[in-house]
Amino acid sequence: QKEVEQDPGPLSVPEGAIVSLNCTYSNSAFQYFMWYRQYSRKGPELLMYTYSSGNKEDGRFTAQVDKSSKYISLFIRDSQPSDSATYLCAMSAGQNSGGSNYKLTFGKGTLLTVNP
Amino acid sequence: DGGITQSPKYLFRKEGQNVTLSCEQNLNHDAMYWYRQDPGQGLRLIYYSQIVNDFQKGDIAEGYSVSREKKESFPLTVTSAQKNPTAFYLCASSRWGNTEAFFGQGTRLTVV
Repeated sequence: QKEVEQDPGPLSVPEGAIVSLNCTYSNSAFQYFMWYRQYSRKGPELLMYTYSSGNKEDGRFTAQVDKSSKYISLFIRDSQPSDSATYLCAMSAGQNSGGSNYKLTFGKGTLLTVNP
Repeated sequence: DGGITQSPKYLFRKEGQNVTLSCEQNLNHDAMYWYRQDPGQGLRLIYYSQIVNDFQKGDIAEGYSVSREKKESFPLTVTSAQKNPTAFYLCASSRWGNTEAFFGQGTRLTVV
């Protein structure tokens, strides 16, 4: 079983739809969770950063973490064509785990297209 | 503007040659990282450094080397020992004790 699983899609939705992107993971030591947006041929851009379980909202984006289920989600409300990109989840055990504690483990990314 | 600068944007290498990819940051971050991205593979960690003059191997370090002589700079050398070097290379940095990483715009390396 891979440490982080992410459905690669592609996912195609109409403009204005609510988008749900998800990752599952197997390492119970992960406690820092991130979502990145990556446009074609560009570097990833950090969208959301959360610690432990719970929800975090930023504008049209909401990140959810359920550590008991080892499941994280990113919701995009009122999706726009400019949201078309690859979305990467990433996670880390953080500074208390020692050794390679700064290492981020990434999902493979989900390609999202929002159609006007 | 604060950020991470990678150069060049595109790089072509002949087989058997070593090439060096540049990464510079002015965010005053202690930690820096190199990732490789291949289609359908996601990002894989090559090397990382938490402090000047110290660095550790990531998951796929074979055929690569790095140095960290200055806090701002973390160059990556792709050696001739790397059997499949064609990929998109991404540099990132983060503050000490913080896993929130910020990325540069990448270097696309092609072996010709």
